[in-house]
Parts: sequence; structure tokens; C-alpha cells
Amino acid sequence: GQSLEQPSEVTAVEGAIVQINCTYQTSGFYGLSWYQQHDGGAPTFLSYNALDGLEETGRFSSFLSRSDSYGYLLLQELQMKDSASYFCARGGATNKLIFGTGTLLAVQP
Amino acid sequence: DTGVSQNPRHKITKRGQNVTFRCDPISEHNRLYWYRQTLGQGPEFLTYFQNEAQLEKSRLLSDRFSAERPKGSFSTLEIQRTEQGDSAMYLCASSASRRTSTDTQYFGPGTRLTVL
Repeated sequence: GQSLEQPSEVTAVEGAIVQINCTYQTSGFYGLSWYQQHDGGAPTFLSYNALDGLEETGRFSSFLSRSDSYGYLLLQELQMKDSASYFCARGGATNKLIFGTGTLLAVQP
Repeated sequence: DTGVSQNPRHKITKRGQNVTFRCDPISEHNRLYWYRQTLGQGPEFLTYFQNEAQLEKSRLLSDRFSAERPKGSFSTLEIQRTEQGDSAMYLCASSASRRTSTDTQYFGPGTRLTVL
């Protein structure tokens, strides 16, 4: 199997830190990507992990543990504009992405 | 604007009609992907081209669906005899092939199809 699981919804307040988890099945796994999608918009690439560890890009960081088949996206200093859906997606040998079901993040004032 | 573009952005059609969508990838990208997304779900892979060659097709892509990338640049996705279940957002993405890791795919704004 190649499915990915994420929490369906997360709520947090402005300025806070939030972590969105993603678990995946290991068959044919190459790496884990994270995408942000605002309502009605296109998925926008945020981060990619091929190896274990933390990748940091500004307020966003992504972590991967291949031994645990687990990754997360960490969003710091939350802003209202971060309210969106966040998808983890796994890549494989053929380069197609298999997306998780998405996590809807609501940032409250 | 050098991003991925898609046309039209919206398409409303009656059941049984044929529709065609176009995708123009980022100019230096040799890989092009089509995905379909329904409300509340993540994008689902449909098909993928490297240059003009169609290298993979999902089982989701029934006989009514056909995609082409004739000169390795823009691509078209045609749906024949549309059904109400085809209503979805059709997303195109492109990437530049990298030998050492998964490509980063950049998505267009999508074409929202509504079949009445």
C-alpha cells in the first residue's frame, strides 16, 4: 500500500506553533513533500525530505523519520494567512506524487 | 509570469459532451503531470509525461480520458462523453528531472470542471 494519513483538522492561534503529522506506508518510498493549498487555489510546494532529519525554510520546517514511517510539518509564528489545507505527499520511483487526505488548519486571532 | 498556466480556469458542460483542457508548463521543465482533485480530498495522479512520452497512466484514467503532449511542451487533457462523476478540479504540474531525488512539482491554478 501507498496511503498517507494526516489529521483532518487542526486549530491554533496567531503566533503559536503547530505540528501536522503524516504517517505513510513504506512500499516504494523515496521522500516526503509538503504542499499548502488555500481554498480554491493551487497546491504550493513548501518542503521536501528525502533523508531523516529536519529541513528548515523560514517559519516552516519539515521532519522525516524513515524508520518510523513518519514525518511532520512544523509551522512557527502562525499568521492568519497560514489558514489553509496542508498535504503531505510521497514520491517514488516514477515521480508521481501520492497525496494524503489533507489537514485543514484554522488560525484564530 | 513563468509559472504553470492552465486554460480554461472554469468549464461547465452538459453530460455527454467532450471537453479539452490545456496546460502550459514552466518552460525549462521536461516533466508534466495531470492530477484530479475533488472537494475535501488530496490530488490524485492521472498521468505523467517526460518530454512527449506518456510514461504512466493511472487506473483512474478510463478510456474516455486521453492526454497528449505532442511537442514536449504544452499538454492537453480531453474527456469524452463527460459524466457527472467527472466534476472535479483538474490540476497540471511540471518539474525538471533530477537524478538524485524526487522532483519538486509546481502546480498550475487548475481547471474546475462542472458536469450538469
